[in-house]
Amino acid sequence: KAGVTQTPRYLIKTRGQQVTLSCSPISGHRSVSWYQQTPGQGLQFLFEYFSETQRNKGNFPGRFSGRQFSNSRSEMNVSTLELGDSALYLCASSPADRSYEQYFGPGTRLTVT
Amino acid sequence: GENVEQHPSTLSVQEGDSAVIKCTYSDSASNYFPWYKQELGKRPQLIIDIRSNVGEKKDQRIAVTLNKTAKHFSLHITETQPEDSAVYFCAASKAAGTALIFGKGTTLSVSS
Repeated sequence: KAGVTQTPRYLIKTRGQQVTLSCSPISGHRSVSWYQQTPGQGLQFLFEYFSETQRNKGNFPGRFSGRQFSNSRSEMNVSTLELGDSALYLCASSPADRSYEQYFGPGTRLTVT
Repeated sequence: GENVEQHPSTLSVQEGDSAVIKCTYSDSASNYFPWYKQELGKRPQLIIDIRSNVGEKKDQRIAVTLNKTAKHFSLHITETQPEDSAVYFCAASKAAGTALIFGKGTTLSVSS
């Protein structure tokens, strides 16, 4: 099976703009989680979607949002970008029947200037 | 909320030696403990995991042990090779579909 894919791989935005990142899970996987990875804070959980519903949310401001489509593809959106939002954004997918295991995509490197 | 501490932050070993990375967690409800390996510029890869009803799990040169009473778990790599060099992350979660809470990572360097 093809792995988790994310687009775009690299993105440069300026403060105040908004950005949308996309994630396509492994075929058959219905759960998608998003994480932010920075050198200082490590890997931090943003939110998790299953069957188009947000099941869990981490401690991030409301500027961070997401959604999942009926084909399990997911998008996350960050509005009013801040310099501190520069990070690697990773999504991970899980099979519905063994949803403990999460398999990561390559990430989107977002740079905010 | 859950907190995962990981030690050491860096570890240097000679090829063929063993490496041990330790993690502690705070939430006794956590019941799933995966380990990820992340090479420079690449995605985190799941290398081994353990659930709370198991005390030890092995996969070739890699093993994980779990002590629920003490709330700590460890990754053991035997006969290390240069290709084992990477950042290793431990994590914990309470249930399927919930967040993975990660440790800060251990940079393992294996010199030949």
